[in-house]
This record gives sequence, structure tokens and C-alpha cells, in this order.
Amino acid sequence: SQTIHQWPATLVQPVGSPLSLECTVEGTSNPNLYWYRQAAGRGLQLLFYSVGIGQISSEVPQNLSASRPQDRQFILSSKKLLLSDSGFYLCAWKTGVGYTFGSGTRLTVV
Amino acid sequence: GQQLNQSPQSMFIQEGEDVSMNCTSSSIFNTWLWYKQDPGEGPVLLIALYKAGELTSNGRLTAQFGITRKDSFLNISASIPSDVGIYFCAGLNYGGSQGNLIFGKGTKLSVKP
Repeated sequence: SQTIHQWPATLVQPVGSPLSLECTVEGTSNPNLYWYRQAAGRGLQLLFYSVGIGQISSEVPQNLSASRPQDRQFILSSKKLLLSDSGFYLCAWKTGVGYTFGSGTRLTVV
Repeated sequence: GQQLNQSPQSMFIQEGEDVSMNCTSSSIFNTWLWYKQDPGEGPVLLIALYKAGELTSNGRLTAQFGITRKDSFLNISASIPSDVGIYFCAGLNYGGSQGNLIFGKGTKLSVKP
């Protein structure tokens, strides 16, 4: 079956520390993958998307980066977190026409 | 770029009331989708619409793809407390945005028992 896994579920990190969030999908190959951020329980801001290994498109300039080292793995990173990086991060995978979202990571930068 | 205007931004209703929300755009879309996000979770697809004028139901939910292909609405009948969450519309234009979905900013629904 097709599933998407995202971890960790919650994370509290100090300002200036590095970040690594991981997303993996199962049951498919060569998926389109997406990272979204959601601030204050509101809109979804597209951060990055990837159509294949090593192919990353960035939608907004920011303190974050993304990588796709394997076909079904998508990683969101930062070398030094800022307070403004706090939010709810969602990974998504294009399934047919729509997207299937992961369960999200709540990141609090303190 | 393409944008979706979703309204209302938030709604506070009494249990049992009907709810209506909509999305409009200056651009044409080939597909309209409606998602619901429960608190602390990822959005989940509720309804997908593929043809202009299409009216589709999923239980107490009904959604329509506007004739002009520039709008869509979602109705929830006889709301219950578990309808609480954020509802997102999303549009897909095969020829634009690299085939990626465009999301509205969401409608936050609160239901009083």
C-alpha cells in the first residue's frame, strides 16, 4: 500500500541549532514530493518541491534547504535555525491528481 | 502567479447549522479539490472535482466546480463538532505551476455544541 511517513512529530530546538526533518514514501516510485510550512494554523506555504532524485525547486528564499538523496526520501534542513522558522511542517506526495500529506512536524525554535 | 481567494477566513457556527465556503480565482483551473485539516494533523482530501459544473457529494459535504472554471464552493450540512478544522480549496491547472496544486488560505471552522 502507498503511505507517507514524516518524523519527528514534534521538535523543540534552540536558535542557531541545525535541523533535519525526514519524509519517506512507500508503495510508489519516482513520486513528486513537497515541503510546506504552516504558520499559526493557517495557510500552506510551499517551500520546496522535487520531481526526482537530486532535483529540488525552491519556491521562497529562506533559511531552509531541501535534498532528495533517494527516490522516496525528501529531507528538509537548516544549518542554523531562526525563531521565525517555528511552524508546522508538512511533507506531501502527489498521488494521482491530488496530494497526500504526512502527519506533520511541529517545530518550535526557542 | 495563480492565486486562490478563499472565503470566509473563519466561521463560528452552532451545531446543526449548514456551512458554505468558496474559492475564486482569476485563472481557469482543470481540477478543484477540497481538503480538511484536523488540528495538529495533515490535510486530508475530501472531494475532487474534474469537470466544469460538476456537483459531487461525500456524506454531508457537497462541492461544485463552477461553470466558468474559476470558482468552487463547499457546503456542509447539519454541522457536528467533529467538523471543526481548517478547510482548504486547491486548484490544478495542468498547463501552469509545473502541474502543482495551488492552495487557498483556508477557512477555519469552529462548531459550538
